[in-house]
Amino acid sequence: DTGVSQDPRHKITKRGQNVTFRCDPISEHNRLYWYRQTLGQGPEFLTYFQNEAQLEKSRLLSDRFSAERPKGSFSTLEIQRTEQGDSAMYLCASSMRQGAWETQYFGPGTRLLVL
Amino acid sequence: DAKTTQPPSMDCAEGRAANLPCNHSTISGNEYVYWYRQIHSQGPQYIIHGLKNNETNEMASLIITEDRKSSTLILPHATLRDTAVYYCIVRPPHGSSNTGKLIFGQGTTLQVKP
Repeated sequence: DTGVSQDPRHKITKRGQNVTFRCDPISEHNRLYWYRQTLGQGPEFLTYFQNEAQLEKSRLLSDRFSAERPKGSFSTLEIQRTEQGDSAMYLCASSMRQGAWETQYFGPGTRLLVL
Repeated sequence: DAKTTQPPSMDCAEGRAANLPCNHSTISGNEYVYWYRQIHSQGPQYIIHGLKNNETNEMASLIITEDRKSSTLILPHATLRDTAVYYCIVRPPHGSSNTGKLIFGQGTTLQVKP
């Protein structure tokens, strides 16, 4: 399967713990996005990488959140000192520009539950 | 904020065409219309996109009005597996001031019934 993969698929943690999620994009895609989705809502943009450079961060990305894409391939999203409000589905998408447009392909997501 | 308006829910009989409307009255001339869908507990799935002309692929057809202020996604023969939330998204082309992020609204929950 050459699609976007995410690991783990599910994570249960206690409030105050740190968690890290991984995203492996489609191999030739240089653009990578993170989104967060809470129950009943559409996904919300968190951050964007072009190759290894983080070019945009949403105001949703508080100081407790950090994302990296060290070699322009896989990416990690870390949440420090988790809070119950962090419970959500974390989605990763990748794309490659094709002229003026692009198509983002999403992974299956990591569902986080903070107790 | 999302720049589109969609009905919150729709029903469709299995085997019939599902027509999902979307209003985007403030769309700019260079903005594309994208459709994604999300089946329960999965990541969003790309369906189709267009700028001005109608588009068709193996999944669906996209009809954009001449003034581009609205569009309709057509699933020609809906099946039970098409039950999902369908998102209509307007986005500008990638450029120096735009990173290409998608801004999702609430979408339309399509229920295909036997």
